[in-house]
Amino acid sequence: SAVISQKPSRDICQRGTSLTIQCQVDSQVTMMFWYRQQPGQSLTLIATANQGSEATYESGFVIDKFPISRPNLTFSTLTVSNLSPEDSSIYLCSVRSGGLSYEQYFGPGTRLTVT
Amino acid sequence: GDSVTQMEGPVTLSEEAFLTINCTYTATGYPSLFWYVQYPGEGLQLLLKATKADDKGSNKGFEATYRKETTSFHLEKGSVQVSDSAVYFCALSGTSYGKLTFGQGTILTVHP
Repeated sequence: SAVISQKPSRDICQRGTSLTIQCQVDSQVTMMFWYRQQPGQSLTLIATANQGSEATYESGFVIDKFPISRPNLTFSTLTVSNLSPEDSSIYLCSVRSGGLSYEQYFGPGTRLTVT
Repeated sequence: GDSVTQMEGPVTLSEEAFLTINCTYTATGYPSLFWYVQYPGEGLQLLLKATKADDKGSNKGFEATYRKETTSFHLEKGSVQVSDSAVYFCALSGTSYGKLTFGQGTILTVHP
């Protein structure tokens, strides 16, 4: 399985500002995913990030609010823009394993608190 | 669209008790099914998986069988430990690019 790291592990941000979260993988992967986990809730997919193409966003998530970069096969960033208290969540990146089982491996998450 | 429904929680058990967490799903085609576990303050870890009907996934004493006829993937463990206290998520992947759809999660607390 891939080893995934995220930075920062947590942050407290003022409303109206932005936070950029980095995701680093120890091997080259084609597909990376960004999820949001709101307090006490399950995980919701924000977008799928493929190297060399625009990210694909799920319903309810837009590029202006959650811009994503994917400059190479081991790295991605998610920016959460114009922060509001409703953005307080854990943000997780994941990568898909090879093969046909579609299992994903997750980073440790970034806990964002917006004040 | 795809969906996953888990039993209502939280679940509180005594050590060495038997655990069942129910999970049912709705999906077109033949999804892969997963159980993930999230220990306090940590990210998600893949616990077990099954990719086709009647497959049994197992790991760390946990088991789940892919039942297509009942669209279920219930998680079981014969004797839980305090260290099993965590949040358990059932998930499926039903698309060609591997998007995961998660259930709402079940909080398990095991007391000594």
